[in-house]
Amino acid sequence: GAGVSQSPSNKVTEKGKDVELRCDPISGHTALYWYRQSLGQGLEFLIYFQGNSAPDKSGLPSDRFSAERTGGSVSTLTIQRTQQEDSAVYLCASSQNPGEKLFFGSGTQLSVL
Amino acid sequence: TQLLEQSPQFLSIQEGENLTVYCNSSSVFSSLQWYRQEPGEGPVLLVTVVTGGEVKKLKRLTFQFGDARKDSSLHITAAQPGDTGLYLCAVSGGSNYKLTFGKGTLLTVNP
Repeated sequence: GAGVSQSPSNKVTEKGKDVELRCDPISGHTALYWYRQSLGQGLEFLIYFQGNSAPDKSGLPSDRFSAERTGGSVSTLTIQRTQQEDSAVYLCASSQNPGEKLFFGSGTQLSVL
Repeated sequence: TQLLEQSPQFLSIQEGENLTVYCNSSSVFSSLQWYRQEPGEGPVLLVTVVTGGEVKKLKRLTFQFGDARKDSSLHITAAQPGDTGLYLCAVSGGSNYKLTFGKGTLLTVNP
């Protein structure tokens, strides 16, 4: 596609449920990033994928969060047993190579009731 | 303590006015980026500054990187309603891929 695509755009869930957020990066981009944007906070780095290398998971806030990137393309961010503090906008970005210009998707607005 | 402090946090002005927003830190950076984020969208890169004292212009937007590479400013001349958005600065600390963002300045330009 022309840009980074994220789905769903909005997700409302109940506390304790699991959610999956999807990111389709720009074709040919080797690097993929997930960020979280909470009210009153800046963008917070979550995880980074580069090619076939082991991902940098250093930003994941707890073991309830996990992500995978299949075939070097699509990525899924999974949050298990969601909590109210998980409510935020989850943004995905890709770049052609590490350190190059980031292109962000429109994000998934997650609301945990 | 935030690595990047952005000010002001909120700014509401009338169309045609000039404004400056700031991004400050006590750390030195090799480069600094400015993004604009519109409601319901992801941030879009506006500019990257890399040299101390550097000034870059993008139409009515002027970006400056401090001489010591610790701070930056964004000046908008004759603001338009289309300039409305969240302005974020960001740096890569220690790695060339992991960006750290400031909390942003939310700018509203009223017609």
